[in-house]
Amino acid sequence: DTAVSQTPKYLVTQMGNDKSIKCEQNLGHDTMYWYKQDSKKFLKIMFSYNNKELIINETVPNRFSPKSPDKAHLNLHINSLELGDSAVYFCASSQPGSQVLDTQYFGPGTRLTVL
Amino acid sequence: DQQVRQNSPSLSVQEGRISILNCDYTNSMFDYFLWYKKYPAEGPTFLISISSIKDKNEDGRFTVFLNKSAKHLSLHIVPSQPGDSAVYFCAASYTYNNNDMRFGAGTRLTVKP
Repeated sequence: DTAVSQTPKYLVTQMGNDKSIKCEQNLGHDTMYWYKQDSKKFLKIMFSYNNKELIINETVPNRFSPKSPDKAHLNLHINSLELGDSAVYFCASSQPGSQVLDTQYFGPGTRLTVL
Repeated sequence: DQQVRQNSPSLSVQEGRISILNCDYTNSMFDYFLWYKKYPAEGPTFLISISSIKDKNEDGRFTVFLNKSAKHLSLHIVPSQPGDSAVYFCAASYTYNNNDMRFGAGTRLTVKP
């Protein structure tokens, strides 16, 4: 029944490795997002995808790449991991243009630790 | 450049009393504001929102007040309950469909029995 799910929940890896975080939503939403919660606890948007089209890409290093195989999935690939990538990453989805205020629904987060 | 600020990292109140969480923003172009609630090991969940054409929105025990001239909003919880203990994030958006939300750093609310 989980609306937005992420795997893995925890990810510990070495500097320089390449890793992926998966996100799936079963809400039928058209738009999905990736956020990074940094050490100061700010939630910052990284990417926004609508119908498999990138619509927001904040100043994120190109080592980060979102991949959307279909409308229900938006995976986050990270190449050449760095210490500063350690954070909690949240996936979210929303349905823009709906009659009610279209809030974003968040996944539980993935805590990434780069050693 | 944090456009949405929650200057109080934590707040502690007694059960039954009012909790007031504050949020300030710098960009006058924001026209839609939201509060999210987050429990440990979970993602944020939507709580209540307000558009810039209103100055108050109420939903049960939760009321959000918006003062556009002061670029300030607040969330009031009355009466506070222990289950309200969580981190509360304020967010602001330029557009109705909030594709580009900016979040504050959150305020940890603790409601003591």
